[in-house]
Amino acid sequence: DIQMTQSPSTLSASVGDRVTITCRASQTIDSWLAWYQQKPGKAPKLLIYKASTLESGVPSRFSGSGSGTEFTLTISSQQPDDFATYFCQQYKRFPITFGRGTRLEIK
Amino acid sequence: EVQLVESGGGLVQPGGFLRLSCEASGFTFSSYELNWVRQAPGKGLEWLSYISDSGNTVYYADSVEGRFTMSRDNAKNSLYLQMNSLRAEDTAVYYCVRDGTPGTFGMVHFDNWGQGTLVTVSS
Repeated sequence: DIQMTQSPSTLSASVGDRVTITCRASQTIDSWLAWYQQKPGKAPKLLIYKASTLESGVPSRFSGSGSGTEFTLTISSQQPDDFATYFCQQYKRFPITFGRGTRLEIK
Repeated sequence: EVQLVESGGGLVQPGGFLRLSCEASGFTFSSYELNWVRQAPGKGLEWLSYISDSGNTVYYADSVEGRFTMSRDNAKNSLYLQMNSLRAEDTAVYYCVRDGTPGTFGMVHFDNWGQGTLVTVSS
């Protein structure tokens, strides 16, 4: 199975901060990576797919980059609505696997 | 608007069984591959199973292989998860999830999620 390692597990940030979350795959997944945002009690929401393609309706302050085994999700200017948990996911092959999540907290 | 609505969750004893359903609307159900993903309380996301648009191909995670059966009824726009031999570690919110692009045989992101249904396995 492909292991997805996310870091950090928790991140404290202030409104307006630039935030970066990293996801590392245990083997190459090319660009077959997605990022999701989840708020408490809600289902995950797709933000980015194919490593860097922004899902329709997602604010442009979100961006993704990387390929192979190293990927990043960046929020250019953290907004109050962005405090949530973020997960990466690989879909290169089955079983589909997720990172353990990064909880973004208010500093 | 795409909608996925799960039902069938509840409290069940260890060793028991439960059948989850997911009713879909707002898209051509028979064209899309689907998945079940679960999330234990306070934990991360775990992919469980995938089914092709026709229902002829199904894949499972090792953790549920042999105990869970995924199926679909395209005439009813419905997805199912039959869960047998339930264990305490199966306690989670179960999500019905759609593949982002039809015809990609599961190698695609998830673009729509249901609201989830809670399954609690406890005596």
